[in-house]
Amino acid sequence: AQKVTQAQTEISVVEKEDVTLDCVYETRDTTYYLFWYKQPPSGELVFLIRRNSFDEQNEISGRYSWNFQKSTSSFNFTITASQVVDSAVYFCALSEGRGSTLGRLYFGRGTQLTVWP
Amino acid sequence: SQTIHQWPATLVQPVGSPLSLECTVEGTSNPNLYWYRQAAGRGLQLLFYSVGIGQISSEVPQNLSASRPQDRQFILSSKKLLLSDSGFYLCAWRAQTRRTEAFFGQGTRLTVV
Repeated sequence: AQKVTQAQTEISVVEKEDVTLDCVYETRDTTYYLFWYKQPPSGELVFLIRRNSFDEQNEISGRYSWNFQKSTSSFNFTITASQVVDSAVYFCALSEGRGSTLGRLYFGRGTQLTVWP
Repeated sequence: SQTIHQWPATLVQPVGSPLSLECTVEGTSNPNLYWYRQAAGRGLQLLFYSVGIGQISSEVPQNLSASRPQDRQFILSSKKLLLSDSGFYLCAWRAQTRRTEAFFGQGTRLTVV
């Protein structure tokens, strides 16, 4: 079963619009970690944020904000006032650590965000 | 500071030829190491990961193999490439704890012709 689901394959917005990227995860671990990465056209994955399962406090960093809700197993990412430079593929990832999954880092299929000027 | 090096950046290989992609990490010891492949569908597929020298876990059965001859060196190999091996290969490392993020190399774009 897929552990990280990013249902939105592609999203297009016009500059200055707000956009939310959805991430739903699945795990039986009581302690786990969630991540968001950005992949610009150059291909390299850039780390954006880490969140652990026992900290549901939302986080804001500039135009970026993250909403973590354990009740719905979601870790959504919002970009406020989007810019053309935000155009990239965004990945959500999950880290478990017990038993046979120790060390594994699972990624969703990614969401291609295109911001038009 | 820690850095990760992956080479080559691009590679064009004929079907049936061997493959060797190398990844090295500097500035840390005993890292977890990963090989991912990103095909045209854009998703990141975990191929191999290693928690120590000589310890390799394979996620997907295929004609690829991985080795970790040294603590900070991770090699992806194939004896005979297939067309379906084309893709973007990414190496990554993270500290020996599941709470940390992974850091990625710049990737190798492999085209099998």
